[in-house]
Amino acid sequence: DAGITQSPRHKVTETGTPVTLRCHQTENHRYMYWYRQDPGHGLRLIHYSYGVKDTDKGEVSDGYSVSRSKTEDFLLTLESATSSQTSVYFCAIRVSQGKGANVLTFGAGSRLTVL
Amino acid sequence: QQQVKQSPQSLIVQKGGISIINCAYENTAFDYFPWYQQFPGKGPALLIAIRPDVSEKKEGRFTISFNKSAKQFSLHIMDSQPGDSATYFCAAIKGNTPLVFGKGTRLSVIA
Repeated sequence: DAGITQSPRHKVTETGTPVTLRCHQTENHRYMYWYRQDPGHGLRLIHYSYGVKDTDKGEVSDGYSVSRSKTEDFLLTLESATSSQTSVYFCAIRVSQGKGANVLTFGAGSRLTVL
Repeated sequence: QQQVKQSPQSLIVQKGGISIINCAYENTAFDYFPWYQQFPGKGPALLIAIRPDVSEKKEGRFTISFNKSAKQFSLHIMDSQPGDSATYFCAAIKGNTPLVFGKGTRLSVIA
Protein backbone atom coordinates (compact mmCIF):
# COMPACT_ATOMS: atom_id res chain seq x y z
CA ASP A 1 0.00 0.00 0.00
CA ALA A 2 2.53 2.55 -1.21
CA GLY A 3 4.43 2.99 2.07
CA ILE A 4 1.42 3.45 4.36
CA THR A 5 0.93 1.20 7.35
CA GLN A 6 -2.12 1.29 9.56
CA SER A 7 -2.28 -0.32 12.98
CA PRO A 8 -4.06 -2.11 14.39
CA ARG A 9 -5.82 -3.64 11.38
CA HIS A 10 -8.63 -4.97 13.54
CA LYS A 11 -9.80 -3.94 17.00
CA VAL A 12 -12.76 -4.76 19.17
CA THR A 13 -13.34 -2.54 22.15
CA GLU A 14 -16.05 -1.58 24.59
CA THR A 15 -18.07 1.59 24.78
CA GLY A 16 -16.34 4.28 26.78
CA THR A 17 -12.78 3.07 26.29
CA PRO A 18 -10.13 5.15 24.53
CA VAL A 19 -8.80 3.94 21.20
CA THR A 20 -5.84 5.13 19.15
CA LEU A 21 -5.27 4.21 15.53
CA ARG A 22 -1.89 4.80 14.00
CA CYS A 23 -0.92 5.67 10.46
CA HIS A 24 2.73 5.47 9.47
CA GLN A 25 4.18 6.58 6.15
CA THR A 26 7.66 6.11 4.81
CA GLU A 27 7.57 8.63 1.95
CA ASN A 28 7.80 11.98 3.78
CA HIS A 29 4.49 13.32 2.42
CA ARG A 30 3.24 16.53 3.97
CA TYR A 31 -0.50 15.88 3.83
CA MET A 32 -2.14 13.00 5.69
CA TYR A 33 -5.82 12.22 6.16
CA TRP A 34 -8.16 10.06 8.21
CA TYR A 35 -11.42 8.89 6.65
CA ARG A 36 -14.12 6.58 7.89
CA GLN A 37 -16.11 4.35 5.59
CA ASP A 38 -19.65 3.23 6.34
CA PRO A 39 -22.28 1.59 4.11
CA GLY A 40 -24.36 4.21 2.35
CA HIS A 41 -22.03 7.04 3.33
CA GLY A 42 -18.95 6.37 1.29
CA LEU A 43 -15.72 7.92 2.55
CA ARG A 44 -16.06 10.77 5.01
CA LEU A 45 -13.17 12.94 6.15
CA ILE A 46 -12.52 13.01 9.89
CA HIS A 47 -9.36 15.08 10.23
CA TYR A 48 -6.36 15.89 8.13
CA SER A 49 -2.86 17.22 8.63
CA TYR A 50 -0.82 19.53 6.44
CA GLY A 51 2.38 19.30 8.44
CA VAL A 52 3.85 18.46 11.82
CA LYS A 53 1.50 19.80 14.49
CA ASP A 54 -0.77 21.29 11.79
CA THR A 55 -4.18 19.67 11.66
CA ASP A 56 -7.71 20.59 10.67
CA LYS A 57 -11.19 19.15 11.04
CA GLY A 58 -13.16 17.31 8.40
CA GLU A 59 -16.90 16.82 8.06
CA VAL A 60 -17.25 14.18 10.82
CA SER A 61 -14.69 15.26 13.43
CA ASP A 62 -16.89 15.14 16.55
CA GLY A 63 -15.63 12.53 19.00
CA TYR A 64 -12.21 12.29 17.35
CA SER A 65 -8.87 13.97 17.90
CA VAL A 66 -5.60 13.68 16.00
CA SER A 67 -1.96 14.34 16.57
CA ARG A 68 1.06 14.58 14.34
CA SER A 69 4.31 14.99 16.24
CA LYS A 70 6.49 13.85 13.35
CA THR A 71 6.06 13.71 9.60
CA GLU A 72 5.72 9.97 9.34
CA ASP A 73 3.04 9.36 11.97
CA PHE A 74 -0.58 10.54 12.14
CA LEU A 75 -2.61 9.30 15.11
CA LEU A 76 -6.39 9.19 15.36
CA THR A 77 -7.81 8.99 18.90
CA LEU A 78 -11.30 8.20 20.05
CA GLU A 79 -11.27 9.53 23.62
CA SER A 80 -14.36 7.54 24.63
CA ALA A 81 -15.50 5.13 21.95
CA THR A 82 -19.20 4.84 21.11
CA SER A 83 -21.05 2.25 19.05
CA SER A 84 -21.61 4.86 16.32
CA GLN A 85 -17.85 4.89 15.80
CA THR A 86 -17.87 1.28 14.66
CA SER A 87 -16.46 1.65 11.19
CA VAL A 88 -13.55 1.03 8.87
CA TYR A 89 -10.95 3.76 9.16
CA PHE A 90 -8.62 4.63 6.31
CA CYS A 91 -5.50 6.71 6.41
CA ALA A 92 -4.32 8.40 3.23
CA ILE A 93 -1.42 10.48 2.01
CA ARG A 94 -1.57 13.12 -0.68
CA VAL A 95 0.55 12.47 -3.71
CA SER A 96 1.21 14.94 -6.50
CA GLN A 97 0.89 13.74 -10.07
CA GLY A 98 2.44 16.96 -11.30
CA LYS A 99 1.01 20.30 -12.50
CA GLY A 100 -1.23 20.67 -9.44
CA ALA A 101 -2.87 17.28 -9.86
CA ASN A 102 -3.21 15.84 -6.36
CA VAL A 103 -4.55 12.40 -5.53
CA LEU A 104 -4.69 10.27 -2.42
CA THR A 105 -3.02 6.95 -1.73
CA PHE A 106 -4.81 4.92 0.92
CA GLY A 107 -3.71 2.47 3.56
CA ALA A 108 -5.30 -0.95 3.98
CA GLY A 109 -7.73 0.20 6.65
CA SER A 110 -8.41 -0.44 10.32
CA ARG A 111 -11.67 -2.15 11.22
CA LEU A 112 -12.95 -0.96 14.60
CA THR A 113 -15.87 -2.54 16.40
CA VAL A 114 -17.24 -0.84 19.51
CA LEU A 115 -19.46 -3.10 21.60
CA GLN B 1 -24.34 19.27 1.47
CA GLN B 2 -22.95 16.66 -0.84
CA GLN B 3 -20.55 18.24 -3.29
CA VAL B 4 -20.21 15.23 -5.58
CA LYS B 5 -23.29 13.16 -6.39
CA GLN B 6 -22.70 9.68 -7.74
CA SER B 7 -25.13 7.28 -9.40
CA PRO B 8 -26.19 4.53 -9.47
CA GLN B 9 -25.60 3.12 -5.98
CA SER B 10 -25.31 -0.36 -7.42
CA LEU B 11 -24.94 -1.79 -10.90
CA ILE B 12 -25.12 -5.27 -12.35
CA VAL B 13 -23.57 -5.81 -15.77
CA GLN B 14 -23.15 -8.89 -17.91
CA LYS B 15 -19.63 -10.00 -18.69
CA GLY B 16 -18.47 -8.23 -21.83
CA GLY B 17 -20.90 -5.36 -21.37
CA ILE B 18 -20.26 -1.68 -20.70
CA SER B 19 -20.45 -0.37 -17.13
CA ILE B 20 -21.29 3.32 -16.77
CA ILE B 21 -21.09 5.28 -13.54
CA ASN B 22 -22.05 8.93 -13.41
CA CYS B 23 -21.04 11.82 -11.17
CA ALA B 24 -22.13 15.42 -10.93
CA TYR B 25 -20.54 18.30 -9.07
CA GLU B 26 -21.48 21.83 -8.10
CA ASN B 27 -18.21 23.58 -7.36
CA THR B 28 -16.69 24.88 -10.59
CA ALA B 29 -13.41 25.49 -8.76
CA PHE B 30 -12.64 21.76 -8.68
CA ASP B 31 -9.55 21.20 -10.81
CA TYR B 32 -8.95 17.45 -10.77
CA PHE B 33 -11.30 14.50 -10.89
CA PRO B 34 -9.96 11.06 -9.88
CA TRP B 35 -11.77 7.75 -9.80
CA TYR B 36 -11.00 5.09 -7.22
CA GLN B 37 -11.59 1.34 -7.25
CA GLN B 38 -12.01 -0.59 -4.02
CA PHE B 39 -12.07 -4.35 -3.57
CA PRO B 40 -13.55 -5.89 -0.39
CA GLY B 41 -11.16 -5.68 2.54
CA LYS B 42 -8.82 -3.28 0.74
CA GLY B 43 -8.30 0.44 0.66
CA PRO B 44 -9.44 2.48 -2.35
CA ALA B 45 -6.89 2.60 -5.14
CA LEU B 46 -6.52 5.28 -7.80
CA LEU B 47 -7.89 4.03 -11.10
CA ILE B 48 -7.83 6.98 -13.50
CA ALA B 49 -8.10 10.77 -13.26
CA ILE B 50 -8.89 13.71 -15.50
CA ARG B 51 -8.50 17.48 -15.60
CA PRO B 52 -11.52 19.66 -16.48
CA ASP B 53 -9.89 20.97 -19.65
CA VAL B 54 -9.93 17.46 -21.16
CA SER B 55 -13.15 15.90 -22.46
CA GLU B 56 -12.03 12.29 -22.40
CA LYS B 57 -9.25 10.14 -21.01
CA LYS B 58 -8.76 6.48 -21.75
CA GLU B 59 -6.58 3.92 -20.01
CA GLY B 60 -7.10 0.41 -21.28
CA ARG B 61 -10.74 -0.55 -20.80
CA PHE B 62 -11.42 2.44 -18.53
CA THR B 63 -12.52 5.79 -19.93
CA ILE B 64 -13.51 9.02 -18.21
CA SER B 65 -15.85 11.30 -20.11
CA PHE B 66 -15.99 14.88 -18.84
CA ASN B 67 -18.66 17.48 -19.61
CA LYS B 68 -17.54 20.76 -18.10
CA SER B 69 -20.63 22.76 -19.10
CA ALA B 70 -22.95 20.20 -17.53
CA LYS B 71 -20.64 19.72 -14.51
CA GLN B 72 -20.78 15.99 -15.01
CA PHE B 73 -18.26 13.23 -15.52
CA SER B 74 -18.58 9.52 -15.96
CA LEU B 75 -16.58 6.32 -15.87
CA HIS B 76 -17.03 3.77 -18.64
CA ILE B 77 -15.70 0.25 -18.28
CA MET B 78 -15.62 -1.48 -21.63
CA ASP B 79 -15.76 -5.26 -21.96
CA SER B 80 -16.55 -5.55 -18.24
CA GLN B 81 -15.08 -8.60 -16.53
CA PRO B 82 -15.92 -10.39 -13.26
CA GLY B 83 -12.60 -9.13 -11.92
CA ASP B 84 -13.91 -5.57 -12.28
CA SER B 85 -16.51 -6.28 -9.58
CA ALA B 86 -15.71 -3.71 -6.92
CA THR B 87 -16.91 -0.43 -5.47
CA TYR B 88 -16.06 2.66 -7.49
CA PHE B 89 -15.79 6.18 -6.11
CA CYS B 90 -15.62 9.39 -8.07
CA ALA B 91 -13.92 12.33 -6.41
CA ALA B 92 -13.04 15.96 -6.94
CA ILE B 93 -10.32 18.18 -5.56
CA LYS B 94 -9.51 21.87 -5.62
CA GLY B 95 -5.91 22.85 -5.01
CA ASN B 96 -4.80 21.99 -1.48
CA THR B 97 -8.27 21.35 -0.09
CA PRO B 98 -9.23 17.79 0.87
CA LEU B 99 -10.57 15.40 -1.75
CA VAL B 100 -14.37 15.18 -1.89
CA PHE B 101 -15.84 11.76 -2.67
CA GLY B 102 -19.08 10.52 -4.13
CA LYS B 103 -20.87 7.86 -2.08
CA GLY B 104 -19.75 5.01 -4.27
CA THR B 105 -21.18 2.51 -6.77
CA ARG B 106 -21.04 -1.21 -6.15
CA LEU B 107 -20.45 -2.93 -9.48
CA SER B 108 -21.14 -6.62 -9.99
CA VAL B 109 -20.14 -8.19 -13.28
CA ILE B 110 -21.86 -11.52 -13.82
CA ALA B 111 -20.88 -14.22 -16.28
